[in-house]
Amino acid sequence: SQTIHQWPATLVQPVGSPLSLECTVEGTSNPNLYWYRQAAGRGLQLLFYSVGIGQISSEVPQNLSASRPQDRQFILSSKKLLLSDSGFYLCAWSSGKKLNQPQHFGDGTRLSIL
Amino acid sequence: DQQVKQNSPSLSVQEGRISILNCDYTNSMFDYFLWYKKYPAEGPTFLISISSIKDKNEDGRFTVFLNKSAKHLSLHIVPSQPGDSAVYFCAASVGQAGTALIFGKGTTLSVSS
Repeated sequence: SQTIHQWPATLVQPVGSPLSLECTVEGTSNPNLYWYRQAAGRGLQLLFYSVGIGQISSEVPQNLSASRPQDRQFILSSKKLLLSDSGFYLCAWSSGKKLNQPQHFGDGTRLSIL
Repeated sequence: DQQVKQNSPSLSVQEGRISILNCDYTNSMFDYFLWYKKYPAEGPTFLISISSIKDKNEDGRFTVFLNKSAKHLSLHIVPSQPGDSAVYFCAASVGQAGTALIFGKGTTLSVSS
């Protein structure tokens, strides 16, 4: 069966510091991968998605970037964190082979910027 | 502008009764709809989905109904159990690979024994 791992579960970082959040998927190949953020009091918002290695699409302009160095690895990064980057970050995957497939989420990273 | 709306922030139901969670959407291009369940400190867990060519999909105790003309969907849980207590999110997408899920803000369901 497929599993998705995200780490770390929680992270406290100072303003201006770099960020690297990692997500890996097991048990499937060629998945679509996604990064979402939930800011306080708001719904989930898609940040990036990837349909293949090295292919990244950005949904909203921001201080963050994403990379997909391997088929089942998705990384969310920032060179300098802002206070507004605080939130709950979720990685998700879906089958890349069919339309109308559900996305399956990891347990998320709670990021607090001080 | 919210494209997916869950107008009830909370719902309380007794064990054994039916829970009905509602969701409205505005974008007529949506053709795939999903319900997720979320416990604190965990990611959302996929429950059930429905494509726009159907008006009902059933999986065990969970049934999703879609009314395209009203742009409304609902999730029925029968019978409700205390373990169903969680936040439920409605989501929608245009069913293409890599398309974002647009989420509602969630409804907190509390099932009392």
